[in-house]
Amino acid sequence: SYELTQPPSVSVSPGQTATITCSGDKLGDKYASWYQQKAGQSPVLVISEDNKRPSGIPERFSGSNSGNTATLTISGTQAVDEADYYCQACDSSTVVFGGGTKLTVL
Amino acid sequence: QVQLQESGPGLVKPSETLSLTCAVSGYSINTGYYWGWIRQPPGKGLEWIGSIYHSGSTYYNPSLKSRVTISVDTSKNLFSLKLTSVAAADTAVYYCARTSGSYSRYYFDYWGQGTLVTVSS
Repeated sequence: SYELTQPPSVSVSPGQTATITCSGDKLGDKYASWYQQKAGQSPVLVISEDNKRPSGIPERFSGSNSGNTATLTISGTQAVDEADYYCQACDSSTVVFGGGTKLTVL
Repeated sequence: QVQLQESGPGLVKPSETLSLTCAVSGYSINTGYYWGWIRQPPGKGLEWIGSIYHSGSTYYNPSLKSRVTISVDTSKNLFSLKLTSVAAADTAVYYCARTSGSYSRYYFDYWGQGTLVTVSS
């Protein structure tokens, strides 16, 4: 079965750039989406289809996908961005999520 | 604005069947899109369970396929999940969500608030 691997945790200082990676076999040939989940809340879509930002999502969120790695980048990270982040892709008709990355804004 | 609301028992006994419903408002299921179920065990990550189209066409997670049935009732604008032979490992927050995108490019753009289902005797 297809697997997506994320680092368990990432730390960043306020105002700096946070980078969260998601690795999978030939992931660049697929489309990656990203979700933000704050404590006790439902996930929120922040990036779809590699690099599309839904309405209402701040411009500081961006995505890319190439080779075996998809990347979520948060520029000028704010304290409000502290959350768990999940990548997601499809392998044929099967939806797969990464294990999640806890972003800490120190 | 699309809204989804899960409902169902919060406690299910081992070996029994978990049944949940997702009521959709602000959008007619009959119009299109796939509609899906995702779960999250306490303190763990997200797991896709399956998705259904308004026509009844379904996709299931291969690891759960033998125990899962997702159905749709377009007259009531809702879709449902049944998971048979549950065990403690099925304890999780269950979310319903709208599945957007096209084949092999699916993603979930609207989510319900989630409902905790505990499997215990």
